[in-house]
Amino acid sequence: GAGVSQSPSNKVTEKGKDVELRCDPISGHTALYWYRQSLGQGLEFLIYFQGNSAPDKSGLPSDRFSAERTGGSVSTLTIQRTQQEDSAVYLCASSPRWDGTDTQYFGPGTRLTVL
Amino acid sequence: AQTVTQSQPEMSVQEAETVTLSCTYDTSESDYYLFWYKQPPSRQMILVIRQEAYKQQNATENRFSVNFQKAAKSFSLKISDSQLGDAAMYFCAYLSGATNKLIFGTGTLLAVQP
Repeated sequence: GAGVSQSPSNKVTEKGKDVELRCDPISGHTALYWYRQSLGQGLEFLIYFQGNSAPDKSGLPSDRFSAERTGGSVSTLTIQRTQQEDSAVYLCASSPRWDGTDTQYFGPGTRLTVL
Repeated sequence: AQTVTQSQPEMSVQEAETVTLSCTYDTSESDYYLFWYKQPPSRQMILVIRQEAYKQQNATENRFSVNFQKAAKSFSLKISDSQLGDAAMYFCAYLSGATNKLIFGTGTLLAVQP
């Protein structure tokens, strides 16, 4: 079946603007994750959704970041009042098991550039 | 807190040769999983291989195999018969059975020379 998809592939925005990044997980996967990959660095966990439970938001770097997952499927990561340090690749992953302890399959990412 | 260390920022291998990428981790948990992911320039993170901590047998996937030394907290990746398409950034990752969060190393950039 289709893999994890993300849109847009690339996003350029001006400092102070809000952006929305979208993730479509693999059909049937109940766990969904967002990570951030800054230039020259590894991946940083942001947030994860596990079935119908409240999301684990412990990785969100500030209150300008938020995410939601509608209908247990599509997720949107929103960054308000973007800053230059928000420039990074944002990766989404999904996992098939309810408790999330299984392999995470990644999307192609959204490259965000804040001017 | 768990940490993952990849001490080789860059590696190079001749086509058809074998290369080993190193990874060590630190944890006090008993329930965890270990992964190697490959990230080519397209930036798509691709699963290479997975190891459950409770399994003693080393995982293998075709030309890819791991050397999992649980007591030493070491999880190296061996690529046999290297191909040009293996050139990529390789990330070692730890998944906590308690938190379900992946913790990544800083990556090893592998170049394959023809």
